Amino acid sequence: GAVVSQHPSWVICKSGTSVKIECRSLDFQATTMFWYRQFPKQSLMLMATSNEGSKATYEQGVEKDKFLINHASLTLSTLTVTSAHPEDSSFYICSASGVGTDTQYFGPGTRLTVL
Amino acid sequence: GQQLNQSPQSMFIQEGEDVSMNCTSSSIFNTWLWYKQDPGEGPVLLIALYKAGELTSNGRLTAQFGITRKDSFLNISASIPSDVGIYFCAGASQGGSEKLVFGKGTKLTVNP
Repeated sequence: GAVVSQHPSWVICKSGTSVKIECRSLDFQATTMFWYRQFPKQSLMLMATSNEGSKATYEQGVEKDKFLINHASLTLSTLTVTSAHPEDSSFYICSASGVGTDTQYFGPGTRLTVL
Repeated sequence: GQQLNQSPQSMFIQEGEDVSMNCTSSSIFNTWLWYKQDPGEGPVLLIALYKAGELTSNGRLTAQFGITRKDSFLNISASIPSDVGIYFCAGASQGGSEKLVFGKGTKLTVNP
């Protein structure tokens, strides 16, 4: 099956700093990538959808200036949490779909802790 | 917006028992997906359903796409300890590679 990786798997940062999370499709070209957020004991909440070479489409209530998404290539999308605050602490998961896939495949997630 | 109601919220069963969980929606979906998530990891696709009425199996797992396109169920037969985890249903208006709406999950605990 298709493989999606994320880096880092976990990160701890100070309040006010920015953190970048990478999502890579390892064995297929990802024309679309999705970014989700998951709080403890809750479901996945879609934050935004990004198509390669285009601006991301954000879900209602998600601040696009705070969660910057870049999908510059068919194998890489990045999520940058700018000026992070403790309430941004969460599990961030990406998924990807594209050429040769009939569904979206999820990455292993990134645990962000903001102190 | 679209919402999925998943039940039960949690289940505690003995090893060897069968399990059933389901999802219902107020609106129609054209694709239903079932995922399993282990702690600290991303969801892993178990079964994908693309056609109303479709019944699909994957080993001990069986899932069905409701005929009304507003519901789906997942059955696990002869549960084993490694079945422990959180199971999520997800629906898509189009294909599984499009935007998904997730249920709230069913936490499964299997006692040896």
